[in-house]
Amino acid sequence: AQSVTQLDSQVPVFEEAPVELRCNYSSSVSVYLFWYVQYPNQGLQLLLKYLSGSTLVKGINGFEAEFNKSQTSFHLRKPSVHISDTAEYFCAVITEPLSSGSARQLTFGSGTQLTVLP
Amino acid sequence: EAQVTQNPRYLITVTGKKLTVTCSQNMNHEYMSWYRQDPGLGLRQIYYSMNVEVTDKGDVPEGYKVSRKEKRNFPLILESPSPNQTSLYFCASSMTGTATNEKLFFGSGTQLSVL
Repeated sequence: AQSVTQLDSQVPVFEEAPVELRCNYSSSVSVYLFWYVQYPNQGLQLLLKYLSGSTLVKGINGFEAEFNKSQTSFHLRKPSVHISDTAEYFCAVITEPLSSGSARQLTFGSGTQLTVLP
Repeated sequence: EAQVTQNPRYLITVTGKKLTVTCSQNMNHEYMSWYRQDPGLGLRQIYYSMNVEVTDKGDVPEGYKVSRKEKRNFPLILESPSPNQTSLYFCASSMTGTATNEKLFFGSGTQLSVL
């Protein structure tokens, strides 16, 4: 079974500092990886995704993530955070094999609360 | 505007009193799903539906029911709520539910408290 581990439940960081949110997955087959963001009192929004190709993926709001197959990781990074980046971030995974016509199963991690301090 | 609408936003109830949380999408999506979000556990899938009259259990279906009589609506029913169902609930939808690159649209959530 697929699983996702987000090691840090809370990450406080000062404004304009860099940040890395860690995500590790367990799967012996091909994976598709996602980062979602949840702003206060809102639903989740897709930040970025890795399906294939380049291992460095760029998303919205200046975030990027790198897929590392040997370390089974998909860490999220931003070189300089803003107050408005304060939110909860979820890593998620879909693994193959996918049967034709069957529902893809998206498994979420436990989330990381990023708090940007002034 | 494309959206997934959940109601109510907040709900407080007592043990055993049946309740329904509604979910509606205006994008003609075939796939709809319910999740619950609990601290430290992330989002866990309760039920999903691939199309009208087609529903299936997710990871945590016990104590919940769903129905999909119309394409746009996917209500979540708690026949006899218990305190361990206190949680933040999200409805989500996507075009087919089968493609890995499909965008999943989420509602704003329903905070349920069962006393």
